[in-house]
Amino acid sequence: QTVVTQEPAFSVSPGGTVTLTCGLSSGSVSTSHHPSWYHQTPGQAPRTLIYRISVRSSGVPDRFSGSILGNKAALTITGAQADDESDYYCVLYMGSGIWVFGGGTKLTVL
Amino acid sequence: EVQLVESGGGLVQPGGSLRLSCAASGFTLSGYWMTWVRQAPGKGLEWVANIKQDGSVKYYVDSVKGRFTISRDNAKNSFYLQMNSLTAEDTAVYYCARWYDSSGYYFIDYWGQGTLVTVSS
Repeated sequence: QTVVTQEPAFSVSPGGTVTLTCGLSSGSVSTSHHPSWYHQTPGQAPRTLIYRISVRSSGVPDRFSGSILGNKAALTITGAQADDESDYYCVLYMGSGIWVFGGGTKLTVL
Repeated sequence: EVQLVESGGGLVQPGGSLRLSCAASGFTLSGYWMTWVRQAPGKGLEWVANIKQDGSVKYYVDSVKGRFTISRDNAKNSFYLQMNSLTAEDTAVYYCARWYDSSGYYFIDYWGQGTLVTVSS
């Protein structure tokens, strides 16, 4: 079974730039996988960040951007702020009605 | 304002059953695919099940097939997750959520706050 891969953890300095990725254990991520990104702080429900690879959800600051980098979907935070410290998840469509979340990336801003 | 509110979580013994409900408001439920996503304690998100607008198509993650059933009642603006033969591995916060179709490109745009299911003796 194909696994959706994300970096388990990442650290960025305030004001810095970080790129999180979402890949496949086998193959490349493309638009057919409908990649989207979500973030979640402890004890809270997830919230939608990016869909359609690069479209920001309503209210999401423009320091968040999405793209395809090589064979992965990517989420870039430019000018990271303290309250960007969160868990970030991607989800991909695997076909036949099946969706799979990545394991998530714990982002630390320090 | 779109709202999704889960209910029905709680403590259940291994082998037991539980039915989760998700009450939708602020939009016409019949226009959307809906979904359940769960999160075990300290773990990541896991997609569990999807149901089509009219309830005619359902999909499940392999680990719940044959044990869980997703259903909906559009007239009551609600959808459900019937969970049978529960095991400790089903212990999680269960979120209901809405899939949005952006010109054929799907993503989750609204999430409920979650309901905790604990399977323990």
